[in-house]
Amino acid sequence: QSALTQPASVSGSPGQSITISCTGTSSDVGGYNYVSWYQQFPGKAPKLILYEVRNRPSGVPHRFSGSKSGNTASLTISGLQAEDEADYYCSSYTTSSSRVFGTGTKVTVL
Amino acid sequence: QVQLVQSGAEVKKPGASVKVSCKGSGYTFTGFYLHWVRQAPGQGLEWMGWINPDSDDTQVGENFQGRVTMTRDTSINTAYMEMTRLTSDDTAVYYCARVDLVVGWSFDAWGQGSLITVSS
Repeated sequence: QSALTQPASVSGSPGQSITISCTGTSSDVGGYNYVSWYQQFPGKAPKLILYEVRNRPSGVPHRFSGSKSGNTASLTISGLQAEDEADYYCSSYTTSSSRVFGTGTKVTVL
Repeated sequence: QVQLVQSGAEVKKPGASVKVSCKGSGYTFTGFYLHWVRQAPGQGLEWMGWINPDSDDTQVGENFQGRVTMTRDTSINTAYMEMTRLTSDDTAVYYCARVDLVVGWSFDAWGQGSLITVSS
């Protein structure tokens, strides 16, 4: 199972919007709506920020949103804030009940 | 609150084995699958497999088949991941993570991570 493809880095100024893509195949992202996104700070465990493509767990700011088209899912951060500077990973359920993660994206707030 | 507490850091020699533990609290341990994920230094997340603490069923990812065993002890709400024939490529932080149907089978709680260093 190959990792899902994400851009290595994305940057933006405070207040701007950025979008991170997550490209897989019809066996993972394209085949299921079980795509989730995780935020990870250095030295810390990942934290769930979106599940089932677009749903936010309680406590996650509304500026985080998600979508999916075909084999590509996307995470958008609207109104970027300094505290959003972190690594972001997508993950998908796959055929045979396994999971796969994206390659990860480093978000830099300029 | 839901907590997953993992065992501490270990240093192992190449060829050795390691067993990492993950103790769940604040929820019904047998009600949720536990997955194992690792992260090599400066690298991304890599899915390893899962265990159903209720049935003891497991699925190990193809990259780890033959080297990784996942077990649990429901009497102490603890899951284990054992890896054999370690190499330097296995140096990583190993996480356990709970999966919840309510959040679309995503990883809603994570352990703090266990750093395993393989070095001669």
